Amino acid sequence: AQKVTQAQTEISVVEKEDVTLDCVYETRDTTYYLFWYKQPPSGELVFLIRRNSFDEQNEISGRYSWNFQKSTSSFNFTITASQVVDSAVYFCALIPNQAGTALIFGKGTTLSVSS
Amino acid sequence: DSGVTQTPKHLITATGQRVTLRCSPRSGDLSVYWYQQSLDQGLQFLIQYYNGEERAKGNILERFSAQQFPDLHSELNLSSLELGDSALYFCASSVELAGRGTGELFFGEGSRLTVL
Repeated sequence: AQKVTQAQTEISVVEKEDVTLDCVYETRDTTYYLFWYKQPPSGELVFLIRRNSFDEQNEISGRYSWNFQKSTSSFNFTITASQVVDSAVYFCALIPNQAGTALIFGKGTTLSVSS
Repeated sequence: DSGVTQTPKHLITATGQRVTLRCSPRSGDLSVYWYQQSLDQGLQFLIQYYNGEERAKGNILERFSAQQFPDLHSELNLSSLELGDSALYFCASSVELAGRGTGELFFGEGSRLTVL
């Protein structure tokens, strides 16, 4: 089965706290791509990152970092020193094989950051 | 602003009716995707068009159809509407590399359909 699981439905933090959003994926393919998208209150989804299955290097972009571990089929997303503007729904997604193009999304995690 | 335009933003209609949702992709993007977002199903891929031709099909009902026109805009037609079709319908366009999608999609703001 090709599937993405985001076990955390909602997370609430206070500004400046660090927060990690979990993502676990399932696929039998050896080549696949993982993504994170953000859906702010305005509604449109915004691409954050793409990672292919052969690249397990962690990535950092400003306050955002991603930890990809094939051994546990996880692709977790950490926001450091969270801000109110980080409040959004975050989706993890998978393209399960080299030929596919359609994203399989998880159910999303709603992050609320209060001041 | 993603550069993807969807109309209408909101639509209220009755069961049994037919509606058309319209999408203009980003300039230069040949691929258009349609997704449905609902509370119970989450984000579900419906269909993809590439340069006027259907490329991939997801969980699209037979009552739904789509097409992409020569100017690359796309329309999603929903007919014999049921209460359960109430959802947010997103269009997205993408950068293509060697004719394949990268997964980096640019989403429109969505069309919120309410079926009463």
